[in-house]
Amino acid sequence: AQSVTQLDSHVSVSEGTPVLLRCNYSSSYSPSLFWYVQHPNKGLQLLLKYTSAATLVKGINGFEAEFKKSETSFHLTKPSAHMSDAAEYFCVVTPYNAGNMLTFGGGTRLMVKP
Amino acid sequence: DADVTQTPRNRITKTGKRIMLECSQTKGHDRMYWYRQDPGLGLRLIYYSFDVKDINKGEISDGYSVSRQAQAKFSLSLESAIPNQTALYFCATSDLRGIDTDTQYFGPGTRLTVL
Repeated sequence: AQSVTQLDSHVSVSEGTPVLLRCNYSSSYSPSLFWYVQHPNKGLQLLLKYTSAATLVKGINGFEAEFKKSETSFHLTKPSAHMSDAAEYFCVVTPYNAGNMLTFGGGTRLMVKP
Repeated sequence: DADVTQTPRNRITKTGKRIMLECSQTKGHDRMYWYRQDPGLGLRLIYYSFDVKDINKGEISDGYSVSRQAQAKFSLSLESAIPNQTALYFCATSDLRGIDTDTQYFGPGTRLTVL
């Protein structure tokens, strides 16, 4: 069994300040972990992916996430928020190499203030 | 992702009507999926297909059916739509081979409203 908890449904930051979106997971298997972003009226775009290689994963648009097995966490960060980062973000878990079993978190809506 | 297209993008219908949502992909992937998105619940899997002859129920398949007409096409039907099927529906694909088999690629979504 697997599950994902995104600890904040909404996060608000000022432009130029750091972003932290928190995700905790549980999985009976060695997991693959993803962050997807959904801009308004758009589909889901893959931001980054962890698959048991380096624990610090770099993604697109300056985002990165760190896999911490001891804390079962996969938090998403960015040093400096941009207005274009405003979107909904989903943390996703699946057993490694089992692409049919994605489990999504409930999503975190990121708001960026000027 | 422009490689995965969904039609229509928006649809308003009435209770009891039959509705079909269509998905096409040019990524050459064997696996295709249908999800629905509801606020606060993330995406939940309705059906998935690993090839043309393989159809599997997901977490929330009741009230839905699917058809895999070809490798590139996967349709979702609501035989008799009801208001609680109002949601945003996504199609996705993934590769059967290679090192990226657990990454899914999503279409732009279809917003369905059942009155």
